[in-house]
Amino acid sequence: DVKVTQSSRYLVKRTGEKVFLECVQDMDHENMFWYRQDPGLGLRLIYFSYDVKMKEKGDIPEGYSVSREKKERFSLILESASTNQTSMYLCASSPSGGAAETQYFGPGTRLLVL
Amino acid sequence: QKEVEQDPGPLSVPEGAIVSLNCTYSNSAFQYFMWYRQYSRKGPELLMYTYSSGNKEDGRFTAQVDKSSKYISLFIRDSQPSDSATYLCAMSGGTSYGKLTFGQGTILTVHP
Repeated sequence: DVKVTQSSRYLVKRTGEKVFLECVQDMDHENMFWYRQDPGLGLRLIYFSYDVKMKEKGDIPEGYSVSREKKERFSLILESASTNQTSMYLCASSPSGGAAETQYFGPGTRLLVL
Repeated sequence: QKEVEQDPGPLSVPEGAIVSLNCTYSNSAFQYFMWYRQYSRKGPELLMYTYSSGNKEDGRFTAQVDKSSKYISLFIRDSQPSDSATYLCAMSGGTSYGKLTFGQGTILTVHP
């Protein structure tokens, strides 16, 4: 079974803090994704990566950056956390090729920025 | 207008009912259609995956895709309280390799 793990289930941070969210997958997937999920807005793509050291902006990249130094690990960074970044953050991975659309999700990190 | 529209509900049905969940979309390049199920405080899990038009059945679940109408559906037969969750449609295709566009999700409650 594909397993995607996220470093924290719940996180509370102060405005202006730098926040790191870590995601690790154990299925040797090439593609990794970061989403945020908010009520009434569904899942929105922040950043994604098709390979190590490669990153692409999603639909809402402002205020975020990412790092992918190893194939299995994809980190989301909030450079200076703000209250409007309070949300549920979901990491996902998928294989390359014909099954690239089949994304597998981690359990999510609920971030509260005070 | 959003690329994918999904009625957020909430939808409440008695146990044993047939449930119909629907999404419409505007991007004719979409070819891959997925349904995810998300339990409270969990990540989404892939439920059904369909390529192009047609039907796909898996146990009590049936996914239908009508590309001519840009409309997809998920049917749940003999619904159970354990089916209570948020159901998300997602789709992909064209130049958006591997990227999914999600609907807002429909909250379903099946009461005993």
